Amino acid sequence: DQQVKQNSPSLSVQEGRISILNCDYTNSMFDYFLWYKKYPAEGPTFLISISSIKDKNEDGRFTVFLNKSAKHLSLHIVPSQPGDSAVYFCAASRVGSNTGKLIFGQGTTLQVKP
Amino acid sequence: DGGITQSPKYLFRKEGQNVTLSCEQNLNHDAMYWYRQDPGQGLRLIYYSQIVNDFQKGDIAEGYSVSREKKESFPLTVTSAQKNPTAFYLCASLDLLAPQSTEAFFGQGTRLTVV
Repeated sequence: DQQVKQNSPSLSVQEGRISILNCDYTNSMFDYFLWYKKYPAEGPTFLISISSIKDKNEDGRFTVFLNKSAKHLSLHIVPSQPGDSAVYFCAASRVGSNTGKLIFGQGTTLQVKP
Repeated sequence: DGGITQSPKYLFRKEGQNVTLSCEQNLNHDAMYWYRQDPGQGLRLIYYSQIVNDFQKGDIAEGYSVSREKKESFPLTVTSAQKNPTAFYLCASLDLLAPQSTEAFFGQGTRLTVV
């Protein structure tokens, strides 16, 4: 039972354009969502997060949008740069559980072409 | 420099052998986690520990064991009972007491290959 899904295994965009990565979840108890970036043979690094009390959070070129009614979130990268090429994981958590467990999606491989 | 250190980076194991992956953190985090990454499946939780001398099974604990004798250390043993151990293993830690404490920090990972 995949509670967090990233249905697009890969995405290719031109440098300077917008990258949009999507993520869907099924558990309405999730109240905190994160995006991680991962290069091959390295650990994931935290990118940006959003609480369920918000519908948008922005950090530089990265913006995360949350649509609770649709149980959908997306990560926008504008403008995309070749260094953004990596695997992006969406993750969800229940802050109230106090376990810190993260449920991850399958990941989307982003390729930004020069 | 605070962080999480996993060792070794690459590990080869013969079938039928147990092997232990090391994870050490100096972030003073109470909670630590082990995840496994397989192609196309994202990261799946193996075990986690919220406090010293206590740990809980994650979604795929069969064939694995852990210990948490010190706050800084959370080693993972991959036993011979694990049917498909070849994978990339990631250790993470998190400060449960911090506000909105869900930003887990990850180590660099250990690539385990059964030969």
